Amino acid sequence: DTEVTQTPKHLVMGMTNKKSLKCEQHMGHRAMYWYKQKAKKPPELMFVYSYEKLSINESVPSRFSPECPNSSLLNLHLHALQPEDSALYLCASSLDADLSLTDTQYFGPGTRLTVL
Amino acid sequence: AQKITQTQPGMFVQEKEAVTLDCTYDTSDQSYGLFWYKQPSSGEMIFLIYQGSYDEQNATEGRYSLNFQKARKSANLVISASQLGDSAMYFCAMREPNSGYSTLTFGKGTMLLVSP
Repeated sequence: DTEVTQTPKHLVMGMTNKKSLKCEQHMGHRAMYWYKQKAKKPPELMFVYSYEKLSINESVPSRFSPECPNSSLLNLHLHALQPEDSALYLCASSLDADLSLTDTQYFGPGTRLTVL
Repeated sequence: AQKITQTQPGMFVQEKEAVTLDCTYDTSDQSYGLFWYKQPSSGEMIFLIYQGSYDEQNATEGRYSLNFQKARKSANLVISASQLGDSAMYFCAMREPNSGYSTLTFGKGTMLLVSP
């Protein structure tokens, strides 16, 4: 089973709202990732968690706040977003984020976010 | 400098024909991993195939094969016997060291359209 689930599938929010995206995997993976993908562009890495600790933050604005409550769950808390933050947000997981170049990332179906 | 180059923005192929999607990469590391992902219009990134830099044989997974030419730094994806369901965006990606971990860098993608 290589399933990563994400909720919600679609989200529309105003610039003053607070919302959260949720990602879950039960493959025993120790690394989890958030990506942002604009239309017709490749995914851009936002955050990497390894063993439930934030390992990489690709200079993401503080209005995006990641959280990893346990090894199976990854959240992305959203607050005071801008319209340009509208995008597809993809979650992924892999066995190990440490220097393992063979490690395959498995992606969830994504959340399509629209900020009004 | 772009590390993954996909020079074909779009490709057209007829059903049952084979198609090759090009990918070249740039790295000074001896150890790296190359991946291909498929992204249908629904948004999910589906892992297709992996090739390690030390693998001597080209990777194959069902109808997918990877034409790996290390000296030329190319990792082209070959899809045999195309099906209508193969219509999607295809991304080539390289996993390489990043801040003590390893992360994926994606190319810009190639949109494949399969016609009846």
